[in-house]
Amino acid sequence: QVQLQQSGPGLVKPSQTLSLTCAISGDSIYSNRAAWNWIRQSPSRGLEWLGRTYYRSKWYNDYAVSVISRIIIIPDTSKSQVSLHLNSVSPEDTAVYYCARDPGDFTSCFDYWGQGTLVTVSS
Amino acid sequence: EIVLTQSPGTLSLSPGERATLSCRASQSVSSRSLAWYQQKPGQAPRLLIYGASSRATGIPDRFSGSGSGTDFTLTISRLEPEDFAVYYCQQYGSSPPIFTFGPGTKVDIK
Repeated sequence: QVQLQQSGPGLVKPSQTLSLTCAISGDSIYSNRAAWNWIRQSPSRGLEWLGRTYYRSKWYNDYAVSVISRIIIIPDTSKSQVSLHLNSVSPEDTAVYYCARDPGDFTSCFDYWGQGTLVTVSS
Repeated sequence: EIVLTQSPGTLSLSPGERATLSCRASQSVSSRSLAWYQQKPGQAPRLLIYGASSRATGIPDRFSGSGSGTDFTLTISRLEPEDFAVYYCQQYGSSPPIFTFGPGTKVDIK
């Protein structure tokens, strides 16, 4: 059974960097089919995909255009974790953040999700 | 970027009734890339349907998906009390890679 366990602060000051971690169990971070995604949800923006990382003989990343200048997703293979870093945050980045697995095999969906982390951007 | 529109915004039904939810895309979408989710308050979305019509593991057969091109439908044949929730459609486009979600349909108790 795949499990994704999120951790990270719930409060970030404006202009600082939001950092969250997603610990993966029940699947390999090196899976040659799966991709590891970050998605956020807010009342104003709904569900918004932020980006992903995946391994296909080497590591690849894709990011949403809306955050491409501020985001980086990094795999930590020693801990089987994936981290999200979003810099220069503003109150508009307040949302519940989720990590999620796309199982691959041409399905293009998210079958396992983390528990979600409410991140509030406020001074 | 493909935009997904869901209708109705809210569907008020009674247990045992049939629910029909619509998801319309601004451009043609590969059926392989269309999915449906259920979300309850305080929980992460739960995958129901992938590839437009395939049920995810453990999903009851009262849930079914259909459609192609720009019009997709999620049908719940007989609503159970635990089915009252918000439902989202989602699509994947590959150039550039992007996942987009619809705004959701809330199914509430009449």
